[in-house]
Amino acid sequence: NAGVTQTPKFQVLKTGQSMTLQCAQDMNHNSMYWYRQDPGMGLRLIYYSASEGTTDKGEVPNGYNVSRLNKREFSLRLESAAPSQTSVYFCASREPSLKNIQYFGAGTRLSVL
Amino acid sequence: QKEVEQDPGPLSVPEGAIVSLNCTYSNSAFQYFMWYRQYSRKGPELLMYTYSSGNKEDGRFTAQVDKSSKYISLFIRDSQPSDSATYLCAMIYNRDDKIIFGKGTRLHILP
Repeated sequence: NAGVTQTPKFQVLKTGQSMTLQCAQDMNHNSMYWYRQDPGMGLRLIYYSASEGTTDKGEVPNGYNVSRLNKREFSLRLESAAPSQTSVYFCASREPSLKNIQYFGAGTRLSVL
Repeated sequence: QKEVEQDPGPLSVPEGAIVSLNCTYSNSAFQYFMWYRQYSRKGPELLMYTYSSGNKEDGRFTAQVDKSSKYISLFIRDSQPSDSATYLCAMIYNRDDKIIFGKGTRLHILP
């Protein structure tokens, strides 16, 4: 059972380039999330998807787009990368039970030069 | 005032000591409280989960919630070097809401 899988693990981009961060979960969770984590800023929610076919903005959505491709996959796209988007990106999915446990992937380290 | 406040540390303690990690929050509507542990270059993982005020114990870890003071704590007994990590508190208003995370406290256990 892989849990939440993120690809790639590392990426270096030049300013203005585009890329898509991939996320897949095999736990049959409805809710999926994209966060960025920066020193001193903690985890900040970029976008989330409460269920297949729906997406909503989080705290810091500017410069990003998302696609909930199916129940398993939730991708994050940077259309024109900026140095301010240098960060560690985490995808998460959430267990639909009273406990509301959120499971995280291992992260993607992105540097924008 | 931010919804959840957490001292970023770093906090360094000798092996075997009792560690106390804390968060305060501003909104009394929070009902569910969690602690996540994050090792370097890894994703956060759930460590403890509590719903009500009081204490919850799991091995060397105890989570404490004081809703009257809007204060939650995580205690680690007999701390080990393997406990060195960043600890994030988290809370939600109800089951369907987004999780609000603290910024995390970096903990170093010195051998």
